[in-house]
Amino acid sequence: AQTVTQSQPEMSVQEAETVTLSCTYDTSESDYYLFWYKQPPSRQMILVIRQEAYKQQNATENRFSVNFQKAAKSFSLKISDSQLGDAAMYFCAYRSPNYGQNFVFGPGTRLSVLP
Amino acid sequence: NAGVTQTPKFQVLKTGQSMTLQCAQDMNHEYMSWYRQDPGMGLRLIHYSVGAGITDQGEVPNGYNVSRSTTEDFPLRLLSAAPSQTSVYFCASGRSWGHVNSGANVLTFGAGSRLTVL
Repeated sequence: AQTVTQSQPEMSVQEAETVTLSCTYDTSESDYYLFWYKQPPSRQMILVIRQEAYKQQNATENRFSVNFQKAAKSFSLKISDSQLGDAAMYFCAYRSPNYGQNFVFGPGTRLSVLP
Repeated sequence: NAGVTQTPKFQVLKTGQSMTLQCAQDMNHEYMSWYRQDPGMGLRLIHYSVGAGITDQGEVPNGYNVSRSTTEDFPLRLLSAAPSQTSVYFCASGRSWGHVNSGANVLTFGAGSRLTVL
């Protein structure tokens, strides 16, 4: 079974600075999907970014980008120009492409943004 | 576009009581699921469904029951509430998959339901 690990329970960053959140996963599959979800204090789960394992190019979404290292099974999230609204729990998630396979979530990293 | 609607948002139960958390989606998603979120443990899958009439257990199914009579609805039933079921519950839905290049492959979440069992 796949597992997802986030080794940083808490992180903090100064406003306008850059922060990187770590995620590693364990799988024997060659094709899969990886995601970062954000959960602000409102509790709503919001998709931040996603990556298909068969794509070598790292995904980017405005200030959010990933460093996908397939061989190392690493999927880190970089937030540039951090804003107060980025403060949230961030969850890394894995999904197999096989029919009926579910998402596997990491334990989360709580990010604080300091003014 | 309502997306995924969960009710109630908050509920307090006494041990032994039963209740149903409702989940409805209007996106014609085949896949629906229930997660519970506990501090330090991320989201753990309770039950899921890949289509009407089809349900299966996830990681932590004990004490919960589900049914999927329509594509839109996926209620979660607590049969006899226990304090260990105090948690935040999320319903999530997504399009069916089975193709490596199928594209969307994301989960859309409801707003969550905070349940406290005394």
